[in-house]
Amino acid sequence: GAVVSQHPSRVICKSGTSVKIECRSLDFQATTMFWYRQFPKKSLMLMATSNEGSKATYEQGVEKDKFLINHASLTLSTLTVTSAHPEDSSFYICSATVGDIGYTFGSGTRLTVV
Amino acid sequence: QKEVEQDPGPLSVPEGAIVSLNCTYSNSAFQYFMWYRQYSRKGPELLMYTYSSGNKEDGRFTAQVDKSSKYISLFIRDSQPSDSATYLCAMSVTGGGNKLTFGTGTQLKVEL
Repeated sequence: GAVVSQHPSRVICKSGTSVKIECRSLDFQATTMFWYRQFPKKSLMLMATSNEGSKATYEQGVEKDKFLINHASLTLSTLTVTSAHPEDSSFYICSATVGDIGYTFGSGTRLTVV
Repeated sequence: QKEVEQDPGPLSVPEGAIVSLNCTYSNSAFQYFMWYRQYSRKGPELLMYTYSSGNKEDGRFTAQVDKSSKYISLFIRDSQPSDSATYLCAMSVTGGGNKLTFGTGTQLKVEL
């Protein structure tokens, strides 16, 4: 089946630094990828939608300059958290559309900013 | 009012019980309905999806949609400890790349 590989699974960084999270579609081409953020015991909140070769569409309230998304190829999308602060600590998950309806998710990245 | 409401639980049941998980929604434009299972610190995995009112069965899982009441359910028969996870309902207006709106998830624990 369609698999999205997300790395790293866990990252700890110092406040003020930047962190890059990668999502790769392993056996299919992902024209559209979604980036979510999940707080403990909370639902997934969509941050942005990225389409290969074009600028990402951000949800209301999400700072595009802080959460940089690049979708330069059909198999790779990246999320860079710039100048990270402790409040950015969260679980970040990507997903890609597969076929007409399916969505497959990455395994998530636990970001801790200290 | 949230677009999708889901009781967060936690819900604790004995092994072998029938589990009923539910979501209500307010946006009548939602046409596609999905249930995801999420184990701790992992990404969600798709269990069921449907786009019409009625029931859809897959093994021990049955998804039920009632568009007139804006209510969806997931039933798990003969629940197992391995079913212990968080179950998220999700909906979209259209398929094929449209964004999903998730419920908050219900934490389920199946005890021996």
